Amino acid sequence: DSGVTQTPKHLITATGQRVTLRCSPRSGDLSVYWYQQSLDQGLQFLIQYYNGEERAKGNILERFSAQQFPDLHSELNLSSLELGDSALYFCASSVGVASTYEQYFGPGTRLTVT
Amino acid sequence: EDKVVQSPLSLVVHEGDTVTLNCSYEVTNFRSLLWYKQEKKAPTFLFMLTSSGIEKKSGRLSSILDKKELFSILNITATQTGDSAVYLCAVDNQGAQKLVFGQGTRLTINP
Repeated sequence: DSGVTQTPKHLITATGQRVTLRCSPRSGDLSVYWYQQSLDQGLQFLIQYYNGEERAKGNILERFSAQQFPDLHSELNLSSLELGDSALYFCASSVGVASTYEQYFGPGTRLTVT
Repeated sequence: EDKVVQSPLSLVVHEGDTVTLNCSYEVTNFRSLLWYKQEKKAPTFLFMLTSSGIEKKSGRLSSILDKKELFSILNITATQTGDSAVYLCAVDNQGAQKLVFGQGTRLTINP
């Protein structure tokens, strides 16, 4: 158990809908990272927040957005969902802003878009 | 564009065999290369490599980095069924502050 929690574990929704994925980092970690893992794309970095501020951006679509709240939990919002958004979404956390190597991954949320 | 390529994509061996997994990379502002093991869900950290030629070792697993030829290998000796997993290689792009992952190698150990 990494100490990172993600909810929900599974999510099934229809195309065009909007969903919110939630992540609570390990106690003491200020950075939160979001990743998407699909069969054909592997693990793709989406976005990083540090202490409430966006710090790095990867291959995140405009239909996706994220935020980190004062209590350091983070939410990833996915809107206008398409079939291709079906994937496993991971959250990871680390202590510092540049400590990418010390990331601890949560169990993931499996999103299925039908 | 940053790229990490792992080979083979899939490998099936018998318990007790030794395996070598490969990872080559092209990335700007290289800081480190990391190996993760992914079983059913979340990737778990194995090694971080920053210097060429220095072997990192943990039990039956070991890894080494070649920064000149831009690759790393992960060795597993005396494999066990519990080693069955997807092994992910990632490179830390210091400038972009992100990890770039390879596709992974799916390793299956048969008893």
